[in-house]
Amino acid sequence: KAGVTQTPRYLIKTRGQQVTLSCSPISGHRSVSWYQQTPGQGLQFLFEYFSETQRNKGNFPGRFSGRQFSNSRSEMNVSTLELGDSALYLCASSAGQLNEKLFFGSGTQLSVL
Amino acid sequence: GENVEQHPSTLSVQEGDSAVIKCTYSDSASNYFPWYKQELGKRPQLIIDIRSNVGEKKDQRIAVTLNKTAKHFSLHITETQPEDSAVYFCAASPGGATNKLIFGTGTLLAVQP
Repeated sequence: KAGVTQTPRYLIKTRGQQVTLSCSPISGHRSVSWYQQTPGQGLQFLFEYFSETQRNKGNFPGRFSGRQFSNSRSEMNVSTLELGDSALYLCASSAGQLNEKLFFGSGTQLSVL
Repeated sequence: GENVEQHPSTLSVQEGDSAVIKCTYSDSASNYFPWYKQELGKRPQLIIDIRSNVGEKKDQRIAVTLNKTAKHFSLHITETQPEDSAVYFCAASPGGATNKLIFGTGTLLAVQP
C-alpha cells in the first residue's frame, strides 16, 4: 500500500496570502488529522476528519480550515498568512474511528516571508 | 485541559547503554499512548503503543510502561545503537470517539558510538 501523500512538499508564501495543502491518506483509511510542527511548540493538533465530518478542532484561529472529500482525501487552508504560520504541516491517516494508529505523511514545509 | 509533559528534552547515552524517556498526562480519560520516532528531515513513525488496559508492552529492545494511577508512561530502549539517535515523542489520546493525539514536546536522543 502507498503511504500518506502530502503535496506540495515545500511552499513559500508572503504575508497576507492564502495557501491550500493537500493530503491523500492510505487506501481504506477514513480518518485524516492535521498537525502543525514547529521547533518551539512540537506537534500541535489542528483538526480531524472522519467520513467527511470534522470531529475535533484544535486551538487555532479561524484562518485555519479544512475539509475532507468522499474519497477521504483532505485539504487544509490557511488564509491571511502570518509570519508565525511558518511550520511543517503534517497529515496523518488512520483506519478506524478511535484510538487507532496514526500514519504520518512527510509534511508540507510552509515558509511565510 | 489536555496536556502531556515529556522529560528529558535531550538525552545523550553511550552505545550499548539504556535510555529512558518519561511522560505525564493530565486527562484521566486518556486510554491510548503511542510513541513516535522522528529522524532529522523525516516523518514521525510509530515505534510502539500501549492501551490503558495493559501495564507493559515490549518489542525487541523497546518497552513501554504505563502507570494509570500516577498518569505516567515511559519508553525504555535497551542496548542503544547509533541508529536510535532521533527525536522521540510521546502522545496521549483524550477520551471520546477520536483519533486526536496530544503530543509531548519531544526528546532528542543522541547515542554516542
